[in-house]
Amino acid sequence: RKEVEQDPGPFNVPEGATVAFNCTYSNSASQSFFWYRQDCRKEPKLLMSVYSSGNEDGRFTAQLNRASQYISLLIRDSKLSDSATYLCVAGFSGGYQKVTFGTGTKLQVIP
Amino acid sequence: EAGVAQSPRYKIIEKRQSVAFWCNPISGHATLYWYQQILGQGPKLLIQFQNNGVVDDSQLPKDRFSAERLKGVDSTLKIQPAKLEDSAVYLCASRSLQGLTDTQYFGPGTRLTVL
Repeated sequence: RKEVEQDPGPFNVPEGATVAFNCTYSNSASQSFFWYRQDCRKEPKLLMSVYSSGNEDGRFTAQLNRASQYISLLIRDSKLSDSATYLCVAGFSGGYQKVTFGTGTKLQVIP
Repeated sequence: EAGVAQSPRYKIIEKRQSVAFWCNPISGHATLYWYQQILGQGPKLLIQFQNNGVVDDSQLPKDRFSAERLKGVDSTLKIQPAKLEDSAVYLCASRSLQGLTDTQYFGPGTRLTVL
């Protein structure tokens, strides 16, 4: 079983739609969680950290469910510019921060 | 603030040749990572340095890959000899040693093609 699993997609959604991605992690010791965005042929960039209480940044909402070991990302009112691959990351500290990336979920927002 | 620098941006070599990549992290960042990202997959950690010491190289193919971070700043990653399956983007990232929630900042990557 992969440490971090994501549905690779692609998710093709119309502009203005709401879309949600889930990601599961296998290491129950994971303490830190992130969503990164990666545009085609570019490096990953942090989209948002995921906190236990959940967090929102504009049109983006991230949630953590420790009991079921998954995190989610909700994008409201999708824009064409949201088209990218979204990478889920789980990490823990065993003296140093160790993170594992998922394979990514591809989102294509269509006009 | 300057970002993570990597060079070269692109490299094409033949199998069995050697290649080296260079990374200069963000100033003051103690932790440096090298990742391999194969097309369609997420970044896979190859090696992680904390200052100039290795803290995780469990997924580094040590028979052909090596990395060093002398003086705890710049780092080089070498492949010798290269195989066809090494074709990938090699990403360097750095992170300050502040806490668990600190983000990693990635460089633009080196795209390696092995023919």
